[in-house]
Amino acid sequence: AAGVIQSPRHLIKEKRETATLKCYPIPRHDTVYWYQQGPGQDPQFLISFYEKMQSDKGSIPDRFSAQQFSDYHSELNMSSLELGDSALYFCASSLGYLANGELFFGEGSRLTVL
Amino acid sequence: GQQLNQSPQSMFIQEGEDVSMNCTSSSIFNTWLWYKQDPGEGPVLLIALYKAGELTSNGRLTAQFGITRKDSFLNISASIPSDVGIYFCAGLYQGAQKLVFGQGTRLTINP
Repeated sequence: AAGVIQSPRHLIKEKRETATLKCYPIPRHDTVYWYQQGPGQDPQFLISFYEKMQSDKGSIPDRFSAQQFSDYHSELNMSSLELGDSALYFCASSLGYLANGELFFGEGSRLTVL
Repeated sequence: GQQLNQSPQSMFIQEGEDVSMNCTSSSIFNTWLWYKQDPGEGPVLLIALYKAGELTSNGRLTAQFGITRKDSFLNISASIPSDVGIYFCAGLYQGAQKLVFGQGTRLTINP
């Protein structure tokens, strides 16, 4: 069965550069969520979109922005990268907003900021 | 924000042993979930619980939704090497619009 696809899987950037992460949800899923996971940390919620509209916002820095497109894929744009932005970024999707917490996660994009 | 207190933070056990971990909160939850994360992978849902007192099994895994709705536990019986990973509790509390995660329990198994 198709899963959540994230790209790129690994990304290395310099400080102050920009990065874009992409997420392709499971077909027919209408909601995407972005999480940030630092080393040894639990996933921290950043932002979510339901039916192409922002549905909730968590601890997403102002330097970051995201959107969900007409085909339901989502992109997380990160600017003015800082060393502390180095983390695993997960996208998850669900059919319906929150779907009783049953989210399907992608394999993550590992961002390293040098 | 709301916090889930998950314990223990790590466990080192022998293959074949049973495992128990739990999650507590000061808030009332409507849904409790348990996810497992393998190294370099995203979390995968193991068990979802929707009613206070509910006890649900998935193979060797058993989880319960606490009667007070403020806690949940996960048991793994007869552990095997592929059980290694990080187990996260997660929940939706009353009035919540986001899924919150516990800090995770890292399970290591000695063969």
